[in-house]
Amino acid sequence: AQTVTQSQPEMSVQEAETVTLSCTYDTSESDYYLFWYKQPPSRQMILVIRQEAYKQQNATENRFSVNFQKAAKSFSLKISDSQLGDAAMYFCAYRIGNYGQNFVFGPGTRLSVLP
Amino acid sequence: NAGVTQTPKFQVLKTGQSMTLQCAQDMNHNSMYWYRQDPGMGLRLIYYSASEGTTDKGEVPNGYNVSRLNKREFSLRLESAAPSQTSVYFCASSPHPGTPVFGDGTRLSIL
Repeated sequence: AQTVTQSQPEMSVQEAETVTLSCTYDTSESDYYLFWYKQPPSRQMILVIRQEAYKQQNATENRFSVNFQKAAKSFSLKISDSQLGDAAMYFCAYRIGNYGQNFVFGPGTRLSVLP
Repeated sequence: NAGVTQTPKFQVLKTGQSMTLQCAQDMNHNSMYWYRQDPGMGLRLIYYSASEGTTDKGEVPNGYNVSRLNKREFSLRLESAAPSQTSVYFCASSPHPGTPVFGDGTRLSIL
């Protein structure tokens, strides 16, 4: 079975600093996609970034970037220049292929941003 | 731009009552999903529908039924609610292939 692990239930970062959220996954598949979703107190699920497993280059979206280590099955999210609006639950997720129906989510990391 | 609309946003039920959660999307997506979110467990897939007229079980389907009424609508029914079904329920839709877009969720409490 595919599993996603987020070992940090809670983290905090000072405003304007950088923080890294960890994610590891377990799969025997070679074609898969990885995602980070943000869930603010409003409860919305917002896609932050996605990474195709076949791409060696790490994905970036403005202040958000990932460190994808395929051999280690690790997919960490780095948030640079943290802002108060970044405070949220962050979920790492995995899907087999681009047509896979089931997203497997990790348990989440609650990020607090301190002013 | 509505995206994925879920109704209701909040609901309290008594054990044994039935209820249908409604979901509609206006993005012409083929696939639709129902997830539940429980503390410390992320989101778990209950049912999904890859296209109009088809539905399949996900990770936690017991106690639930679904209907893909048409391409836009995908409902989730609890026939006899149990306290273990207290959760936040998310509907999502996606193009095929593609990344899901989520609704705002329904907080359901069962007493």
